[in-house]
Amino acid sequence: NAGVTQTPKFRILKIGQSMTLQCAQDMNHNYMYWYRQDPGMGLKLIYYSVGAGITDKGEVPNGYNVSRSTTEDFPLRLELAAPSQTSVYFCASSYMAEAFFGQGTRLTVV
Amino acid sequence: AQTVTQSQPEMSVQEAETVTLSCTYDTSESDYYLFWYKQPPSRQMILVIRQEAYKQQNATENRFSVNFQKAAKSFSLKISDSQLGDAAMYFCAYRSGNSGGSNYKLTFGKGTLLTVNP
Repeated sequence: NAGVTQTPKFRILKIGQSMTLQCAQDMNHNYMYWYRQDPGMGLKLIYYSVGAGITDKGEVPNGYNVSRSTTEDFPLRLELAAPSQTSVYFCASSYMAEAFFGQGTRLTVV
Repeated sequence: AQTVTQSQPEMSVQEAETVTLSCTYDTSESDYYLFWYKQPPSRQMILVIRQEAYKQQNATENRFSVNFQKAAKSFSLKISDSQLGDAAMYFCAYRSGNSGGSNYKLTFGKGTLLTVNP
């Protein structure tokens, strides 16, 4: 059982480039989330989804987009990368009260 | 909106000793869940312990236990017989007990970095 799988684990982007962070879960969870973790700031919610075809903004959505075409996949798109998007990104899925996290993606924008 | 506060950015403990990490939260809801997550250097978020607000009994998981004070909105984590492998960042988190939409998201504190000294 793979749980939540994120790719890539590390990435360096140049300012203005775009990329997609992939997230897949094999637990058939309806709820999925993207968080970013900045030093000393905890994790903040970027976007979430309550099921295929349904997404909504979290606390810090600017500069990001998401889609949810299937229950399993919830990719996060960064358009026109900026240094402020340097962070560690976590995808998570949940069922009832427990959330399951991927291993995170460390993204550096230079 | 709910908030979670961890007032100790860093803590240290001697191996085999006991340490308590503090967490307070603010909410107007009566039904909710509280969690402690451990994040070792590997970056993986690991669920340590969970507490349902409607349960009066404090949750325990082996060497980990919580002191849940609902009226005071306090949720501290006690680690007994600390081990070197307990060294990590610890996050306190809140989740609404209401169903649907953004209610299922987790609200995190800023974390406490725990060092275990041999």
